[in-house]
Amino acid sequence: EDKVVQSPLSLVVHEGDTVTLNCSYEVTNFRSLLWYKQEKKAPTFLFMLTSSGIEKKSGRLSSILDKKELSSILNITATQTGDSAIYLCASSGSARQLTFGSGTQLTVLP
Amino acid sequence: NAGVTQTPKFQVLKTGQSMTLQCAQDMNHEYMSWYRQDPGMGLRLIHYSVGAGITDQGEVPNGYNVSRSTTEDFPLRLLSAAPSQTSVYFCASKGLSFTTNEKLFFGSGTQLSVL
Repeated sequence: EDKVVQSPLSLVVHEGDTVTLNCSYEVTNFRSLLWYKQEKKAPTFLFMLTSSGIEKKSGRLSSILDKKELSSILNITATQTGDSAIYLCASSGSARQLTFGSGTQLTVLP
Repeated sequence: NAGVTQTPKFQVLKTGQSMTLQCAQDMNHEYMSWYRQDPGMGLRLIHYSVGAGITDQGEVPNGYNVSRSTTEDFPLRLLSAAPSQTSVYFCASKGLSFTTNEKLFFGSGTQLSVL
């Protein structure tokens, strides 16, 4: 059974701080790892990492895939209150299903 | 560009009632799925489909039924609602071609309460 574990479950920081969110996965025939941001309703896509694309960056957000450790991190630098959200990690394997972790609730205080 | 459209946005049911959550996508995606989201548990897969006429169970299928008569539509039926089905439900779709990535497109969600 595929499994994705995220840590920490919740995190409270102040504006300007840098945060690192963690995701580990156990997936049969790994294909990809995805990060989503969920504010009020539907998750919105951030990054997809694969064996051929292990590092992605967009503005203050970046993500790295560690194929050896079966894990990924999502970094957010110079956090803003608008970064407050649940961050979801998901992994895809041979079954093509996305298995999601329980998410990290990030709260950025002004 | 509509993407994935879910209705209704909110629903309150009494125990034992049945209802259908509607989902439609206009991206010609082969793959469609239903997830439920409960506090602290992330998104759990209920049912999915890889094309018209093909459906399969996910992690938590009990109490739910699906069908896929067209590429565009993938309704989720609650046969006899129970309080344990109180949750937020998301429909999501993606393409399945070799060159298509694994990115799921989500609908806006349905907040369901079963009393």
